Amino acid sequence: IQMTQSPSSLSASVGDRVTITCRASQMIASYLNWYQQKPGKAPKVLIYASSNLHRGVPSRFSGSGSGTDFTLTISSLQPEDFATYFCQQSYSAPMYTFGQGTKLEMK
Amino acid sequence: EVQLVESGGGLVQPGGSLRLSCSTSGFTLRSHAIHWVRQAPGKGLDYVSGISSDGASTYYADSVKGRFTISRDNIKRTLYLQMSSLRVEDTAVYYCVTDKLYDSGGYYLYYFDSWGQGTLVTVSS
Repeated sequence: IQMTQSPSSLSASVGDRVTITCRASQMIASYLNWYQQKPGKAPKVLIYASSNLHRGVPSRFSGSGSGTDFTLTISSLQPEDFATYFCQQSYSAPMYTFGQGTKLEMK
Repeated sequence: EVQLVESGGGLVQPGGSLRLSCSTSGFTLRSHAIHWVRQAPGKGLDYVSGISSDGASTYYADSVKGRFTISRDNIKRTLYLQMSSLRVEDTAVYYCVTDKLYDSGGYYLYYFDSWGQGTLVTVSS
């Protein structure tokens, strides 16, 4: 299953509302997870099963979607949110696949 | 606190071998599948391999099948990734990862809950 994210990079300012899209090459129901990665660090899970916020993740993050189209939204960007975001399908677990990533940069 | 600590990375020539280890603590290892995910410099995340909680089932990406072997020792609380016939394109940071089961009531799925800090493997002549 191929996962395609858009955009590949995004410039935004603190306080902006940001949306990242992930599209699967086939139907994956809600088997979609989102991760955040900062430079030099391991990824961290943000959202699982399309819309469930992982413990400790701020409520400004939200996820939605089902089938083939999914979105990650940050309602009001904070300085610590500038990072790279990856989607991951777990429909075909254990053969997981990731999107190519979206780098969120400060404008 | 869940801890995963990878070791064993380094510089190796093409065609060579390397064994990565992942030492674990802070959770019931025998209840979890463990996976390896890699990230080439400046690139995205690629699933490499996984092993079931009891070690009976193993999984490999097509790109490493036949060259890499995953194993685990639940008594030593350590996971291994034996890599052979290494290629330049295997150069990456390798992460050890635990998964977590989410049961929605209607279906269940896994996501990658805890990650190690990674160990760098460089394949170069």
